[in-house]
Amino acid sequence: DAGVTQSPTHLIKTRGQQVTLRCSPISGHKSVSWYQQVLGQGPQFIFQYYEKEERGRGNFPDRFSARQFPNYSSELNVNALLLGDSALYLCASSLVQNTEAFFGQGTRLTVV
Amino acid sequence: AQKITQTQPGMFVQEKEAVTLDCTYDTSDPSYGLFWYKQPSSGEMIFLIYQGSYDQQNATEGRYSLNFQKARKSANLVISASQLGDSAMYFCAMRVRTNAGKSTFGDGTTLTVKP
Repeated sequence: DAGVTQSPTHLIKTRGQQVTLRCSPISGHKSVSWYQQVLGQGPQFIFQYYEKEERGRGNFPDRFSARQFPNYSSELNVNALLLGDSALYLCASSLVQNTEAFFGQGTRLTVV
Repeated sequence: AQKITQTQPGMFVQEKEAVTLDCTYDTSDPSYGLFWYKQPSSGEMIFLIYQGSYDQQNATEGRYSLNFQKARKSANLVISASQLGDSAMYFCAMRVRTNAGKSTFGDGTTLTVKP
C-alpha cells in the first residue's frame, strides 16, 4: 500500500510569489494535517482537515490556506511568500481524527 | 495549551548499547496520547511508538520501549541494542482528546550511533 505522498519534493520560489503543495493520504484515511518544520525545530501545526472540513488551525497568518478534496487529498497554499516561509512542509494522514498519524516525506520549500 | 520538552539537543551512543531519550510534557487534558517519531535526513517522520494516558503498561515495539511516568509527566524513549541506522533526529509528540487532529512536537534530539 502506498504511504502518504507529497508533491513536489523540493521547490524554490521568490519572495512575494504564491505556492501550492499537494498531499495524498493513505487510502481510506479521512484526516489530513499540515505542519511546518523550520530547520532545527520540531514541526508546527498549521491545519487539520477531516471529511473535507477544517477542524483545526494553528497560529499561522491568513496567507496560509488549505482545502481537502472529495478523494481526501489536500492542498496547502501560501500567498505572498516571505523568506521565513522557507521550511519543510509535512503532511500527515490518519484514519479518523484521533488515531495514529502517518507522515509523508515532506516538501522542502526555499524562498529566495 | 500543550507543551513538549526535549532537553537533550544531541546524544551519542555506542553501537549495541541502549540509550534513553528524554521527553517531558504538559497538558491539562486528562486524555492524551504520546508518540515518538524518527526523522532521518530524508525528512520523513517515521512513527515508532505510542502510549495512551490511560494505558497501564509501558508500550513496547521491538527495540523501542516507552518509559511512561504519568505523575512526573515524562515519556522517555528507550532504544535497546542501538544500530548505526538509528542515527537520526527523534521527536516526542502529544495529541489530546479535545484537539485530536493536532500533534504538538518537541524540538527533537539528534542521536548519533558510533561504531
